[in-house]
Amino acid sequence: NAGVTQTPKFRILKIGQSMTLQCAQDMNHNYMYWYRQDPGMGLKLIYYSVGAGITDKGEVPNGYNVSRSTTEDFPLRLELAAPSQTSVYFCASSYSGYNEQFFGPGTRLTVL
Amino acid sequence: GIQVEQSPPDLILQEGANSTLRCNFSDSVNNLQWFHQNPWGQLINLFYIPSGTKQNGRLSATTVATERYSLLYISSSQTTDSGVYFCAVVASGGSYIPTFGRGTSLIVHP
Repeated sequence: NAGVTQTPKFRILKIGQSMTLQCAQDMNHNYMYWYRQDPGMGLKLIYYSVGAGITDKGEVPNGYNVSRSTTEDFPLRLELAAPSQTSVYFCASSYSGYNEQFFGPGTRLTVL
Repeated sequence: GIQVEQSPPDLILQEGANSTLRCNFSDSVNNLQWFHQNPWGQLINLFYIPSGTKQNGRLSATTVATERYSLLYISSSQTTDSGVYFCAVVASGGSYIPTFGRGTSLIVHP
């Protein structure tokens, strides 16, 4: 099993550009999550999904969109990138909301 | 929502020393995990421990759910233990949203 994979590992965007961060898991997990981690800080939840076709906002959803068309994939879309979105983005998955979470390696995004 | 507090915020040790990290939470939980974020930023699962005690090599963890705290013990610390340790909980009651503490930053000197 590859676990949770994320692409790209690094990306530099200009202000106003858009991009999609990819996340996939091969553990047949129902729940998937997107977090951001700013320097020296903990993780903040952006969006989460409890199954294909179902998504919901977390603590910091503004400026982001998600979709969950399959169990395996949970892409995060940034529209009109802003410097405040410079961060490390982590995707995670779990079988249910009360089970162990597993994290991907992260995507380091810089917006200039 | 549920509050998660970790202490101490920073810890500096000499190799070989023991340490205890604490995670307090403000409400009952159905899920508690400890993670280690290594200096390269990778988040590594240490323990899934909503209650009870577990051990894995030099690390062990205890969660006392009725008193709303969890402890992570690191014995005979090594330089590879350096990094940030996070506690994450999911409150009982159906929100399914994990809440992370701010972490304990550990530096182990050789």
